[in-house]
Amino acid sequence: DAGVIQSPRHEVTEMGQEVTLRCKPISGHDYLFWYRQTMMRGLELLIYFNNNVPIDDSGMPEDRFSAKMPNASFSTLKIQPSEPRDSAVYFCASSTYWGRNSPLHFGNGTRLTVT
Amino acid sequence: SQKIEQNSEALNIQEGKTATLTCNYTNYSPAYLQWYRQDPGRGPVFLLLIRENEKEKRKERLKVTFDTTLKQSLFHITASQPADSATYLCALPRRDDKIIFGKGTRLHILP
Repeated sequence: DAGVIQSPRHEVTEMGQEVTLRCKPISGHDYLFWYRQTMMRGLELLIYFNNNVPIDDSGMPEDRFSAKMPNASFSTLKIQPSEPRDSAVYFCASSTYWGRNSPLHFGNGTRLTVT
Repeated sequence: SQKIEQNSEALNIQEGKTATLTCNYTNYSPAYLQWYRQDPGRGPVFLLLIRENEKEKRKERLKVTFDTTLKQSLFHITASQPADSATYLCALPRRDDKIIFGKGTRLHILP
């Protein structure tokens, strides 16, 4: 199994530009999560999907952030327009079921730098 | 709201000794608690899960304890090796089942 795949690994962009991060979860996993990691705040849950449907986006910081999951094997997180404070490492994770002890399987993240 | 506290300072341990990391949480006690390992430039990797009715869980050189009275979990690595150097994250579910993470403790095993 290839694990969770994220692209790109690094993204450098200028303030105001649109950024799209991509994720391919592990096949057969019904849940997909987007987390953001910074030194100050650690890992924060932004949004999660179940069977491609967004369930809870209360962690999305602002309307500039949006996420989609058009099918079971692909998800995107978009920031438009981007701001320097969005600089962080963004992780995608998937799991077989929610709660009830299910471990999360993380990708290796996208390091976003907004200048 | 539920909070997780892990030592923010790095922990330096001599090779061969036991490393012990602490995870404290506030408010309600979760049904389970997880530990993850994160290497630089990589995503967290799941290591162990311990349930509220389990006092202790072992996996090879790893041992986790869960004290719901103290609201604390301890993570032990016995016979530590330089390859064990990493950041270790504690994670637990909130009441709404969302999994939240501590900021992690950096562990350095000195050869």
